[in-house]
Parts: sequence; C-alpha cells; structure tokens
Amino acid sequence: GAVVSQHPSRVICKSGTSVKIECRSLDFQATTMFWYRQFPKKSLMLMATSNEGSKATYEQGVEKDKFLINHASLTLSTLTVTSAHPEDSSFYICSAASLTIEQFFGPGTRLTVL
Amino acid sequence: AQSVTQPDIHITVSEGASLELRCNYSYGATPYLFWYVQSPGQGLQLLLKYFSGDTLVQGIKGFEAEFKRSQSSFNLRKPSVHWSDAAEYFCAVAGGKSSGDKLTFGTGTRLAVRP
Repeated sequence: GAVVSQHPSRVICKSGTSVKIECRSLDFQATTMFWYRQFPKKSLMLMATSNEGSKATYEQGVEKDKFLINHASLTLSTLTVTSAHPEDSSFYICSAASLTIEQFFGPGTRLTVL
Repeated sequence: AQSVTQPDIHITVSEGASLELRCNYSYGATPYLFWYVQSPGQGLQLLLKYFSGDTLVQGIKGFEAEFKRSQSSFNLRKPSVHWSDAAEYFCAVAGGKSSGDKLTFGTGTRLAVRP
C-alpha cells in the first residue's frame, strides 16, 4: 500500500519558538494532503486541506497565521507551528490522497511545547 | 453537513469472542464510508471502505462491515477477536470520491481485549 512518512515523530520545543513538521508520500504523488490534530483520547480534527502549488484551505477556527502549511511538491507538505505555546501541544497527523478519496495516513508527530 | 456517531466510547471483549462496533452516519446522499484503526501513538490504518455495490464489505485482519441504508449504519464486526486487535477504531464518512473530499470522523471506540 501507499506509504506516508512524517518527520519528526516527536519534538519538544520551548514556548515562542517555531516548529516545522514534514509529511511525505513515499511511493505515490499526492494531489491533496490533509493535516489533522488529535487531542488525547479524542477524534481527529481536520485543520486544513492543501493541494500542490495552491494555498491551503483552513477549517473554521484554525489560525492560518499560526499553522503555516506549504505544499511545494506532489510528495511533500509541511506544517509550521509558529510561536508555539503549551496549548499547541498535540498529536499532529497528516494524510495524502491521489485522485481518489482514499487517504493514507502518516504515523503522526507528537509536539510538546514547554 | 455530514456527521458520524460512534455510540460506544470504550468496549472490552474477551479474546476469541465476537466483536461489533457501532457507527451511525448522517448524510443526505450516498455516503462513502470507512473504518480505520489506530494503535497507540500511531497514525491510522484503513480497515475497509464502502463506496457502492455489495453492502457487506470485507477488510483486512478479518474485519467486515455492513452498510444498512435504512438504519444509517455501518457497523464493524469480527467473529473472533485477537489480543492484537486492542486499539482505537474510527468510523468516517465522506461526501464524494475525489481526493479533495474531506473525511468526517467519529469520536472513536477504544477496544480492550481480555486474555
């Protein structure tokens, strides 16, 4: 099956710093990538949808200036959490889709902001 | 707007017992339905999906699900649970089949397996 990787798997940072998370589709070209946030013991909350070469579409309530998404190629999307604060600590998961609805999920990134 | 309800937050079954996880959806047209499994600290793995056709779909790891339009349900079943099935299970619905269509997830059901 299609493989999606995320890097890093875990990151700890100080409050006020920025953190970049990479999402790569390893063996297919992703027309669309999605970024989700998952709180402990909760469901996945869609943050934004991005298409290669286009600006991301953010869900209501998600601050686009805080969560910067770049989808520079058909295999790479990045999420940058700017000026991170403790409340941004969460599990971030990306997924990728190619022409069809089926999304392939990355293993997730655990962000801890001190 | 589409929505998914998973009424059971937590279920415990004995190893070897049968399993049924409930999922109800709300969507005006024909839904596209999915079941995913998530192990602790991991991403999601697709178990099975329903787009059209036979309402009983088979998935990986011995799971199956049945689409019942009259009940707006898509329950997941397994005849004999293994200890390795302990995980979080998410039902999801999409309104279309293209890559840009969004998935709406239920709140998940955590499955524990007794030895």
